[in-house]
Amino acid sequence: QKEVEQDPGPLSVPEGAIVSLNCTYSNSAFQYFMWYRQYSRKGPELLMYTYSSGNKEDGRFTAQVDKSSKYISLFIRDSQPSDSATYLCAMENTGTASKLTFGTGTRLQVTL
Amino acid sequence: DTEVTQTPKHLVMGMTNKKSLKCEQHMGHRAMYWYKQKAKKPPELMFVYSYEKLSINESVPSRFSPECPNSSLLNLHLHALQPEDSALYLCASSQRLSNQPQHFGDGTRLSIL
Repeated sequence: QKEVEQDPGPLSVPEGAIVSLNCTYSNSAFQYFMWYRQYSRKGPELLMYTYSSGNKEDGRFTAQVDKSSKYISLFIRDSQPSDSATYLCAMENTGTASKLTFGTGTRLQVTL
Repeated sequence: DTEVTQTPKHLVMGMTNKKSLKCEQHMGHRAMYWYKQKAKKPPELMFVYSYEKLSINESVPSRFSPECPNSSLLNLHLHALQPEDSALYLCASSQRLSNQPQHFGDGTRLSIL
């Protein structure tokens, strides 16, 4: 079993929809959580990062962490075609500083 | 545009060539990273530098040789690469090691003939 599981998609939604992207993890030592967006032929772009359980909001994006269930989510409101990309979750184990464990990425397509 | 700049954007080289990838950041970050990313896969960590000293080498073959000449620059020297080394090579930086978000460049797309 992988330490971090992420549905690879593709996930196709109409413009304006609310998108929910999810990752589950098995290692309770993960304490620091990030979401990256990666467009084709570009590097990963940091969207959100958080330590704590609960919600963190930034514009149309909300990151949610539930440490008791070992589950993190990224919600995108009012999705746009420009949101079409691969979304990667990443986690850091406080015992192995700087080494991120990535999910496999979910490919999102927002259609007109 | 990202705040981590990588050059060149594309590189094609033969298996006997020597080339270097360059990475530069001016955010005052003291930790810098090299990753390798194959198509439809997440990035894989190769090397980590902290305060210009090599902190982590993820058992990378010696044909890859990293160098951190100063706090803003990171190089990856390539020699005698194999076709399976063709990939996107990403540089990242963070304020310091541990619990800091990593910021990535757009990578160098490397093809080995």
